[in-house]
Amino acid sequence: DGGITQSPKYLFRKEGQNVTLSCEQNLNHDAMYWYRQDPGQGLRLIYYSQIVNDFQKGDIAEGYSVSREKKESFPLTVTSAQKNPTAFYLCASSTYMGQSYEQYFGPGTRLTVT
Amino acid sequence: GDSVTQMEGPVTLSEEAFLTINCTYTATGYPSLFWYVQYPGEGLQLLLKATKADDKGSNKGFEATYRKETTSFHLEKGSVQVSDSAVYFCALSDPEASGSRLTFGEGTQLTVNP
Repeated sequence: DGGITQSPKYLFRKEGQNVTLSCEQNLNHDAMYWYRQDPGQGLRLIYYSQIVNDFQKGDIAEGYSVSREKKESFPLTVTSAQKNPTAFYLCASSTYMGQSYEQYFGPGTRLTVT
Repeated sequence: GDSVTQMEGPVTLSEEAFLTINCTYTATGYPSLFWYVQYPGEGLQLLLKATKADDKGSNKGFEATYRKETTSFHLEKGSVQVSDSAVYFCALSDPEASGSRLTFGEGTQLTVNP
């Protein structure tokens, strides 16, 4: 089955540590995205990548880094510089459908930093 | 820039009640419109979409009609079930303005009581 995999589902870290969240897709989509969601809030775009070896900052990129070495993979590193890293992180990928882009989401990773 | 405005939540209904969640948008181009649903602890799922004026998207009993004259895409369902309890996000894709990025509303929490 085609889809987006995020692992792990739950992640716990101590303050001051970097942590990398995994996102893999087998949909053959060119574009991939990382969003952050806080309780009761909407989605905020962290980074996105429209093609391999290229990525752009979203609205809240500070304290995060990404890489896009393979089409299938778009890992997100939450660095110790991110002041409030505890959140639900969603990865998505998209394909162009002739007039617009449709995004498909993974199941998310809930990160807790104490 | 583009924006999406959803009715403020949360919305609480009894089972079998009629549902309307309002969504209006502003866009510089000619966008495609989407409704996504997020069940507790999960990622977003594409519920329905419409790509041009007067198109009606439908899925699982939910419907929304693309109204260009009122720049709206309201979500409706004739008889909600407890299993419809979730957060609903309205979104638009406007490649001319935003490339592959989607613009999301803030989300509307729906709770359906038995």
